[in-house]
Amino acid sequence: GESVGLHLPTLSVQEGDNSIINCAYSNSASDYFIWYKQESGKGPQFIIDIRSNMDKRQGQRVTVLLNKTVKHLSLQIAATQPGDSAVYFCALSRNDYKLSFGAGTTVTVRA
Amino acid sequence: EAGVTQFPSHSVIEKGQTVTLRCDPISGHDNLYWYRRVMGKEIKFLLHFVKESKQDESGMPNNRFLAERTGGTYSTLKVQPAELEDSGVYFCASSQTDGAAQHFGDGTRLSIL
Repeated sequence: GESVGLHLPTLSVQEGDNSIINCAYSNSASDYFIWYKQESGKGPQFIIDIRSNMDKRQGQRVTVLLNKTVKHLSLQIAATQPGDSAVYFCALSRNDYKLSFGAGTTVTVRA
Repeated sequence: EAGVTQFPSHSVIEKGQTVTLRCDPISGHDNLYWYRRVMGKEIKFLLHFVKESKQDESGMPNNRFLAERTGGTYSTLKVQPAELEDSGVYFCASSQTDGAAQHFGDGTRLSIL
């Protein structure tokens, strides 16, 4: 199976600054990657996804970067807001359905 | 559009009892998935339905767990008999196709005493 690791379990960010959350994976056959946001008492909420034929994808205030050479995935959040405080998970698959999750990074936004 | 809904949100039962969790996927989503997160661990895949058929149940821990999706709409996950190590949060997700993003419900927090 896939092994998914995170660089930092926690991240503290000043409101208005940009956030970068990182994720590393072990299986080079992984071809689909997703970032989820989970708030307390809620389920994982889809943020953005990317397939292995791309190296960058942008959404509203978020950008996902994929570096297949070093098997690294990152999520960038622009102008971080208090509502961005949550646990962020990267997840990946190599067959389009069975997701493997990382342990999560807890992001805290300082006012 | 209503999201994935799960019932109950919390369940507390004693070891040896039976519990049934329910998941209603987003309308029109043929693909339904069960995952769980036990204390201190990552979210782990349990199984995948396409309509009423089980496509992959490789993540089911043992034969005390039974998932069904009769009619290809909602799904149930029954644990019988429940053991202490079954405690955790059980998530359901659905997607329109098996290559599309999976959308999760808020989970059922299961506590076995």
